[in-house]
Amino acid sequence: GAVVSQHPSWVICKSGTSVKIECRSLDFQATTMFWYRQFPKQSLMLMATSNEGSKATYEQGVEKDKFLINHASLTLSTLTVTSAHPEDSSFYICSARTALLYEQYFGPGTRLTVT
Amino acid sequence: DQQVKQNSPSLSVQEGRISILNCDYTNSMFDYFLWYKKYPAEGPTFLISISSIKDKNEDGRFTVFLNKSAKHLSLHIVPSQPGDSAVYFCAAGGDSGYALNFGKGTSLLVTP
Repeated sequence: GAVVSQHPSWVICKSGTSVKIECRSLDFQATTMFWYRQFPKQSLMLMATSNEGSKATYEQGVEKDKFLINHASLTLSTLTVTSAHPEDSSFYICSARTALLYEQYFGPGTRLTVT
Repeated sequence: DQQVKQNSPSLSVQEGRISILNCDYTNSMFDYFLWYKKYPAEGPTFLISISSIKDKNEDGRFTVFLNKSAKHLSLHIVPSQPGDSAVYFCAAGGDSGYALNFGKGTSLLVTP
């Protein structure tokens, strides 16, 4: 149980375009989903927290107009990187938790490369 | 400001021996602690957790110890296996909402 999927697993896009990453909880309802970013040999950096049906809460320094998060259902959250630049290239990971447990279950991550 | 610290970036242990990974935290409001295991280019996998009302939690080969007065926790893996080689992240939460604060990770290498 507690499986989280992400799609795509990797994506290459041109500078200036937008990319959407999907995060799905496959076997449970996720009341809260989180989006993280990881740079090489760095820790996971929390970007934003989203609750189903509510606006996402962004961490300090994360541009909400650039990283659009939608959590329209209890099993799906999306992260859209708008007007991507090469510095947005990174490994993006989502996680989800239920209302009952504190543990977060992570997706496999999405490698974004902006050329 | 790093509220969760893993001061050892790497650790090498022989197969069959005990691996001890350490983690320190600074925020006394944290009341829930977790360990995750991560392979390259994959998402972290939840291993074990402990709440602040306990000082020990055991699950198979994995045991987490919590010393609240020292703001320190550790993960013990006994016996260590080559498949345990990965990066281990310590995480803490409870100060605000359900977001977790992660350490920078410790890379464990278990040699045959």
